[in-house]
Amino acid sequence: GQQLNQSPQSMFIQEGEDVSMNCTSSSIFNTWLWYKQDPGEGPVLLIALYKAGELTSNGRLTAQFGITRKDSFLNISASIPSDVGIYFCAGQLSGGTSYGKLTFGQGTILTVHP
Amino acid sequence: DGGITQSPKYLFRKEGQNVTLSCEQNLNHDAMYWYRQDPGQGLRLIYYSQIVNDFQKGDIAEGYSVSREKKESFPLTVTSAQKNPTAFYLCASRKTGGRDTQYFGPGTRLTVL
Repeated sequence: GQQLNQSPQSMFIQEGEDVSMNCTSSSIFNTWLWYKQDPGEGPVLLIALYKAGELTSNGRLTAQFGITRKDSFLNISASIPSDVGIYFCAGQLSGGTSYGKLTFGQGTILTVHP
Repeated sequence: DGGITQSPKYLFRKEGQNVTLSCEQNLNHDAMYWYRQDPGQGLRLIYYSQIVNDFQKGDIAEGYSVSREKKESFPLTVTSAQKNPTAFYLCASRKTGGRDTQYFGPGTRLTVL
């Protein structure tokens, strides 16, 4: 199946630094979702975006739904050690025959050094 | 406490045996999904169900079967026909209408010996 192009694949940063990751697609979506997954656990929803151009924050996290509906980015400000994990983007088409199928990025592995 | 539960967390089976993974949700969501996650490959859709007594194959359904007899439950059976069953299995349910969102369970790690 199709996958989104998520970058970077991995990041090694110092505590306190800001982080930025993004996803691009050749197809348009009407929902973008960002998840964080800890080792051996299920993905936890961080931010959901439903409208082109939408900018949404959740604490230190900010995400945007691209104007073209083919991309999205996630920023984490002032990183802390518990930000460590794998971050996934997912695009979704709703309605019609889409059955809510999520198309996932490959994930960004974030490591934060204290 | 609302959410999605999967059991067991870890499962070990001998090659050739069928095994059933449990997924239960009390979120009153109509749609439920099963994904498989392998290292470096992200999440791949196995089966999905949009309503009770109806389900459809996803991208990698071969060697798997499901049932949806109740809204709250969507068990996945990994059959002996699945050539490489060792993986991390994730169940999800979907909140529809308006702000459409999928939520995941904690996962089951299946190891076939």
